[in-house]
Amino acid sequence: EPEVTQTPSHQVTQMGQEVILRCVPISNHLYFYWYRQILGQKVEFLVSFYNNEISEKSEIFDDQFSVERPDGSNFTLKIRSTKLEDSAMYFCATSIYLTDTQYFGPGTRLTVL
Amino acid sequence: AQTVTQSQPEMSVQEAETVTLSCTYDTSENNYYLFWYKQPPSRQMILVIRQEAYKQQNATENRFSVNFQKAAKSFSLKISDSQLGDTAMYFCAFMHYNAGNMLTFGGGTRLMVKP
Repeated sequence: EPEVTQTPSHQVTQMGQEVILRCVPISNHLYFYWYRQILGQKVEFLVSFYNNEISEKSEIFDDQFSVERPDGSNFTLKIRSTKLEDSAMYFCATSIYLTDTQYFGPGTRLTVL
Repeated sequence: AQTVTQSQPEMSVQEAETVTLSCTYDTSENNYYLFWYKQPPSRQMILVIRQEAYKQQNATENRFSVNFQKAAKSFSLKISDSQLGDTAMYFCAFMHYNAGNMLTFGGGTRLMVKP
């Protein structure tokens, strides 16, 4: 069964550094999302992406964040200058259609020191 | 804005028994979707079940079923014949039909299945 994959599984970085989190969507899926989950808290929506454009973004998704699909397969989340409070689990999710079920990847644990 | 509330932070059940997890939500919309996701210790989010609000019939998936009460804005998950592998965090989630597909999650219920 096709799966969403994410790399790396764990990323440790120093505050102020840039990080790029990568996701490989299920091949025929057209809609892509990023969510984050700070330890012990609920899962929060960051951004949705379709047809090479951001469809929707939350208040969390400020100028420090960006997304792109650079090569038609990977879907990336970049954090330009990481802060301590960016430490969280970041999940990529994908769906075929607008209202289809979202399938999640295994997540990337980001630790900012 | 939509909100999703799970009032039971933790629950436990004996193996082979039945347990029901509660979820309520608040929305002014009429077209939406509801989901239950499972998050085992590996922390991957796994879809358990999905319900379309326009469908009156409750969704079922093997041992998992929901009780969807649209007027009451309630969406509970029933797990029958609980298995040790059902031990996980369970998140209820809401998606409005025309809001960028964003999922709004509840705070989760930690379920422990005891042997």
